[in-house]
Amino acid sequence: AQKVTQAQTEISVVEKEDVTLDCVYETRDTTYYLFWYKQPPSGELVFLIRRNSFDEQNEISGRYSWNFQKSTSSFNFTITASQVVDSAVYFCALSGLGGGSNYKLTFGKGTLLTVNP
Amino acid sequence: DGGITQSPKYLFRKEGQNVTLSCEQNLNHDAMYWYRQDPGQGLRLIYYSQIVNDFQKGDIAEGYSVSREKKESFPLTVTSAQKNPTAFYLCASSPKRSPLHFGNGTRLTVT
Repeated sequence: AQKVTQAQTEISVVEKEDVTLDCVYETRDTTYYLFWYKQPPSGELVFLIRRNSFDEQNEISGRYSWNFQKSTSSFNFTITASQVVDSAVYFCALSGLGGGSNYKLTFGKGTLLTVNP
Repeated sequence: DGGITQSPKYLFRKEGQNVTLSCEQNLNHDAMYWYRQDPGQGLRLIYYSQIVNDFQKGDIAEGYSVSREKKESFPLTVTSAQKNPTAFYLCASSPKRSPLHFGNGTRLTVT
């Protein structure tokens, strides 16, 4: 069975602070995908990143960066110089590659990030 | 503009009534999904469909039913057998082996 744990339920920071959201996963699959999604107050989930298990290279996209460590089964997400618009619930998710199937995502419970001015 | 449309945004029903949530996509995606979100919880998969006229149960399918008669549409019926139907329901779609795109969700309240 797959499991995703986001131990931080809520985080509150002041604008311009850096913040890291933790994600730890469990899977018996040898190949899999990891995802981060953002859910702003409007409710829809916005895709941020997909990382496959073959590739442990860290990724940076503007103020966002992701640290994938297979040895510790972690896929942490850092926002540098946070802004009020970053306030949202952030979900980490896991999917097997499953042959020809599309993704069945297993989600963590999410981390509510509040960035205060 | 391409996207996923869920309607209505808010839905209220009396206990014991079936209710159908709409999900339409014009992205030409093969796969469609229904997730349920409860406060402080992650998303849990209810049903998914990879092609027209075929669908599979997810982790919490009991009390729900779906149909996939058209590629664009994947309606979800919440039946009276669902013990705790009040929740936020999210529909998603994806092309093969690509990340899911989500709709804006329907908040269902059953009293």
